[in-house]
Amino acid sequence: GAVVSQHPSRVICKSGTSVKIECRSLDFQATTMFWYRQFPKQSLMLMATSNEGSKATYEQGVEKDKFLINHASLTLSTLTVTSAHPEDSSFYICSARTGTSQETQYFGPGTRLLVL
Amino acid sequence: GQNIDQPTEMTATEGAIVQINCTYQTSGFNGLFWYQQHAGEAPTFLSYNVLDGLEEKGRFSSFLSRSKGYSYLLLKELQMKDSASYLCAVSDSNYQLIWGAGTKLIIKP
Repeated sequence: GAVVSQHPSRVICKSGTSVKIECRSLDFQATTMFWYRQFPKQSLMLMATSNEGSKATYEQGVEKDKFLINHASLTLSTLTVTSAHPEDSSFYICSARTGTSQETQYFGPGTRLLVL
Repeated sequence: GQNIDQPTEMTATEGAIVQINCTYQTSGFNGLFWYQQHAGEAPTFLSYNVLDGLEEKGRFSSFLSRSKGYSYLLLKELQMKDSASYLCAVSDSNYQLIWGAGTKLIIKP
């Protein structure tokens, strides 16, 4: 159990375009979802935390107008990278957690974004 | 501030045992997680410790000492597929995960 999917797995786009990444919990209800970014050879960096039905909480330094997060249901969260630039090229990973705060985070397979 | 320390890289031999240490200083503690991450892939959950002691799960074991702010991940009977980064993460008082930088484990034949 505890399967999280992400789509797409890989995307290449032109500078200035927007990219939407979907994160789905397939066999459980995720009250909280997290979005991470990971640059090569670096650790995970938390971008934002989203709770179903409410606005996402962004980490310091993460532009909420550039990285739009929607957590419309208990099984789906989306991250939209607006007006993407080459420096936004990274590995974006979502994770999901069930109701109680102590539950383990389960990660999606990640989305590799390359902005040309 | 909050800090998680783990070695950057370790090397071990196939079939041997390796111990990856993690020390932490966080505002509050609601458990410690170990994740495995292969290159180019997302992390996968290995273990969770919230009480002192050793948790064994097959070839992998994880130990926690809250008074010392210390944990280790023990990998036995190492296999080539165990070559990966191992991430230590602590759940703080707000139940937010604080991540270590990861330990890259290299397994040699």
